[in-house]
Amino acid sequence: GAGVSQSPSNKVTEKGKDVELRCDPISGHTALYWYRQRLGQGLEFLIYFQGNSAPDKSGLPSDRFSAERTGESVSTLTIQRTQQEDSAVYLCASSLRLRETQYFGPGTRLLVL
Amino acid sequence: GIQVEQSPPDLILQEGANSTLRCNFSDSVNNLQWFHQNPWGQLINLFYIPSGTKQNGRLSATTVATERYSLLYISSSQTTDSGVYFCARGYSNYQLIWGAGTKLIIKP
Repeated sequence: GAGVSQSPSNKVTEKGKDVELRCDPISGHTALYWYRQRLGQGLEFLIYFQGNSAPDKSGLPSDRFSAERTGESVSTLTIQRTQQEDSAVYLCASSLRLRETQYFGPGTRLLVL
Repeated sequence: GIQVEQSPPDLILQEGANSTLRCNFSDSVNNLQWFHQNPWGQLINLFYIPSGTKQNGRLSATTVATERYSLLYISSSQTTDSGVYFCARGYSNYQLIWGAGTKLIIKP
């Protein structure tokens, strides 16, 4: 596609439920990043995928968070047993190669009631 | 730890005015980027500028790596420039550490 796409654009869920967020990177981009942005704050790095290398999960805030990526395409971020503090915008970005310009998707706005 | 500090946190200007946004970082960088997040949340990369000066239309950026700061200049502001401006510095090979942003409001 022309840009990074994310779905759903908005998600409202109840505390304790699992949610799955999807990211479609720009075709051909080997690197994919997930970030979390709380209201009025900067971005918080969550996880990074580069090609077929094992992802760096060091930014994931708890073991309730996990992410997968199939090859160099779609990625899903899963949050299990959601908590109210998980409410945020989850942003995905991709770049052609390591250290190059990151292109961001529109984000998924998650609200946990 | 690694710090990225931006100033001012908020800026309200009249259309046509010029502005300077500042980003201070706590140690040397080889990857410094400026982003604009529009009021609808979309993030756009403005500059990749680990050192030196770059210009793109009404926007320009300067990074003085030895003094650990970067400046973003916006000239002849337009209402479409409103939003939040973030600077982010590289950490390890791929992580970006983000500042808290400068919220810019341009009034018509």
